[in-house]
Amino acid sequence: GQQLNQSPQSMFIQEGEDVSMNCTSSSIFNTWLWYKQDPGEGPVLLIALYKAGELTSNGRLTAQFGITRKDSFLNISASIPSDVGIYFCAGQTYSGGSNYKLTFGKGTLLTVNP
Amino acid sequence: GAGVSQSPRYKVTKRGQDVALRCDPISGHVSLYWYRQALGQGPEFLTYFNYEAQQDKSGLPNDRFSAERPEGSISTLTIQRTEQRDSAMYRCASSLTSTVGTGGYEQYFGPGTRLTVT
Repeated sequence: GQQLNQSPQSMFIQEGEDVSMNCTSSSIFNTWLWYKQDPGEGPVLLIALYKAGELTSNGRLTAQFGITRKDSFLNISASIPSDVGIYFCAGQTYSGGSNYKLTFGKGTLLTVNP
Repeated sequence: GAGVSQSPRYKVTKRGQDVALRCDPISGHVSLYWYRQALGQGPEFLTYFNYEAQQDKSGLPNDRFSAERPEGSISTLTIQRTEQRDSAMYRCASSLTSTVGTGGYEQYFGPGTRLTVT
């Protein structure tokens, strides 16, 4: 089946620093999404990318859908303590007509030291 | 109603018992998905509904797992004769639509049900 390789597995940074994480896949995805998960909560959608090459921003977050449709990155600028959490990339494919099931990476654990 | 809700939030059961996990999607959302998330991993797809029709159950581990969504809204994931390996976080997600090319198929997740089988 499809697998996503997400890196790094964890990051420890100082408040104010920029962060970058990425996902690669051996398969093509139609859509890439980035989620953040806080302890005890479900994943929360941060950014969705629909077209190869697309670059999208959401506040301090910027994400890009790779040209090959097999990769994506997420950047966080000027990190703050509340950025702490687990960030997941997810690829979405059309399967069986209208099934948009997601394939997730293993997550990047981000720790921000104030 | 705001987001996706799930109940119970925590369930501890003894091996061999049946459990039923409930998901209440965002009002008006057509599609509903079930995922399972092990510690340190991302969610893994179990099954998917479009309205009341179960369109894909390829991710269900075995025939002890079943799901239904009889009226196209609330869904129940049932695990029969639970085993310790079934212990995990079970997450539900919903999306507004599933029609190709129209957008609105971003999935929104509930808080999950933490299942522990002793």
